[in-house]
Amino acid sequence: EIQLQESGPGLVKPSQSLSLTCSVTGYTITSGYDWSWIRKFPGNKMEWMGYISYSGSTNYNPSLKSRISITRDTSKNQFFLQLNSVTTEDTATYYCARALTTVALWGQGVMVTVSS
Amino acid sequence: AIVLNQSPSSIVASQGEKVTITCRASSSISSNYLHWYQQKPGAFPKLVIYSTSYRASGIPSRFSGSGSGTSYSFTISRVEAEDVATYYCQQGSSNPYTFGAGTKLELK
Repeated sequence: EIQLQESGPGLVKPSQSLSLTCSVTGYTITSGYDWSWIRKFPGNKMEWMGYISYSGSTNYNPSLKSRISITRDTSKNQFFLQLNSVTTEDTATYYCARALTTVALWGQGVMVTVSS
Repeated sequence: AIVLNQSPSSIVASQGEKVTITCRASSSISSNYLHWYQQKPGAFPKLVIYSTSYRASGIPSRFSGSGSGTSYSFTISRVEAEDVATYYCQQGSSNPYTFGAGTKLELK
């Protein structure tokens, strides 16, 4: 069974960086698909933040382009999200996902609050 | 970015009733790249319909989708209690991929 699991701090201070890890089991992230980060804000708005492809190329939402970085560690079968200079507006539930223009496989999500 | 205008924002329906959600895109989308998700409280989103009209694995036949170009719809033919959730359309045609604002389905 393929599973994705997010991990990382649930509380980040404004102006700091948000860092999350997605651990994938049951499938090798270099075998295929785009490994994505998607977030859901309080009030239901959803935003596709970006992805790292199975080949290692990245694609970011232009609204985040100056702040976001998605990387991976293929030896651990993990991929990572770093979002810099966070504000309270980055408070959201963050999901990692396996995608190919659509998402059939999601992690459980991790809630991240940005607050001092 | 392609904006997806989803309506209505909420629906209150009786069990057995038919409900329809519409999703209008600000630019034309290939029907291969318009998808629908169901999200129940406390859970991750679940793919229900992909490529406009194809049911994902394990999805009951009461769920259906249709559309083309800039106008798409999602229908539950006979609402059941377990269908209470928020539904989202999503386009994967153009980067950045975008979601509709969601439609919250509640039971009377």
